[in-house]
Amino acid sequence: GAVVSQHPSRVICKSGTSVKIECRSLDFQATTMFWYRQFPKQSLMLMATSNEGSKATYEQGVEKDKFLINHASLTLSTLTVTSAHPEDSSFYICSARLRVVTGEQYFGPGTRLTVT
Amino acid sequence: AQKVTQAQTEISVVEKEDVTLDCVYETRDTTYYLFWYKQPPSGELVFLIRRNSFDEQNEISGRYSWNFQKSTSSFNFTITASQVVDSAVYFCALSEPNTGNQFYFGTGTSLTVIP
Repeated sequence: GAVVSQHPSRVICKSGTSVKIECRSLDFQATTMFWYRQFPKQSLMLMATSNEGSKATYEQGVEKDKFLINHASLTLSTLTVTSAHPEDSSFYICSARLRVVTGEQYFGPGTRLTVT
Repeated sequence: AQKVTQAQTEISVVEKEDVTLDCVYETRDTTYYLFWYKQPPSGELVFLIRRNSFDEQNEISGRYSWNFQKSTSSFNFTITASQVVDSAVYFCALSEPNTGNQFYFGTGTSLTVIP
């Protein structure tokens, strides 16, 4: 089956620093990847849709200057949390769309970010 | 408006009991896809099933079964003879091709199976 990896799986950083999270589709090409955020005991909330070679589309309320998304290749999308603050601490999950017609998405294992 | 509603926030059952997790969805599209995912404490989403709107056949996979009823816009999930390993949060999701196949997740149901 299609595999999506994320790196790192856990990261602790100090307030004010930036953190980059990588999302890779390992055995398929993904023109579209999605970034989600999940707070404890809550559902996944879509942050942005990342299309290869173009600017990401952000959901309402998501600061694009704070959450920088780059989708430079068909197998890699990155999310950079800039000037992180404790309230950015969350579980970040990416997914890659396998087939446009069926909308199938394969999810990465997630990255737990803790900002101290 | 919530497109996917999982009214049960938390459920606890004793091992070997059957349990049904409810999912009600809302869409105006005739073509859409429904999904169930399991999220264990590790956090990784585990794909369980995908069903398209044109296939109303119920599906059974081992101890898992799904009941898709378009008339009531429901896609319920039943675990038969529950086991402790079934303890997790379960999410129902809707995907609509007309909106770029964005996933709409329900709020999840946390299932605890007590040994």
